[in-house]
Amino acid sequence: DAGVIQSPRHEVTEMGQEVTLRCKPISGHNSLFWYRQTMMRGLELLIYFNNNVPIDDSGMPEDRFSAKMPNASFSTLKIQPSEPRDSAVYFCASSRRGLAGGLPSYNEQFFGPGTRLTVL
Amino acid sequence: QKEVEQNSGPLSVPEGAIASLNCTYSDRGSQSFFWYRQYSGKSPELIMSIYSNGDKEDGRFTAQLNKASQYVSLLIRDSQPSDSATYLCAVKNQGAQKLVFGQGTRLTINP
Repeated sequence: DAGVIQSPRHEVTEMGQEVTLRCKPISGHNSLFWYRQTMMRGLELLIYFNNNVPIDDSGMPEDRFSAKMPNASFSTLKIQPSEPRDSAVYFCASSRRGLAGGLPSYNEQFFGPGTRLTVL
Repeated sequence: QKEVEQNSGPLSVPEGAIASLNCTYSDRGSQSFFWYRQYSGKSPELIMSIYSNGDKEDGRFTAQLNKASQYVSLLIRDSQPSDSATYLCAVKNQGAQKLVFGQGTRLTINP
């Protein structure tokens, strides 16, 4: 089975440009999570969706960041305009659990390969 | 106090020995606990999940949970150089779906 797919794997852009990161969750998973990882701050949750609906976006750093999930198999994270401090690795993860109840193992999150973003 | 705390290391262990990684958490209502392994330049990989007090073994890995002490650990037996990585502890708090990650412990297995 295919795991979580992310694209692009690497992105280098200039300050002020728009950046769009893409994610395809594991088939059958109904929860999707966007994380950012830096040396200084570690792994931070930005936003997550259940059944394509944003549930918690409290980790989104500012209005320059936005995320969408138009259907069960695709999500985007957009940064507009980008700034050098946005440079990080962005991970997408998915899990099965989107509703109350279910097995504890449904909380297991599986990560994609990540997108390494460099903003010059 | 951080929600999930780990010793950042680095932790050096000789090949063949037992590596012990520790994690404490602050939310007493936490229900699910996970260990992820992350190689340099790669994404986190789930290696163990534990949901009830006690030990859970999977091959060379054993996860231990003590909810009364709010403590979860990961033991790696017969450590191999390929186990050298950063190990992330993650906790699911009560009533929430999201995971809270520790900063990770960098483990080095010395041949």
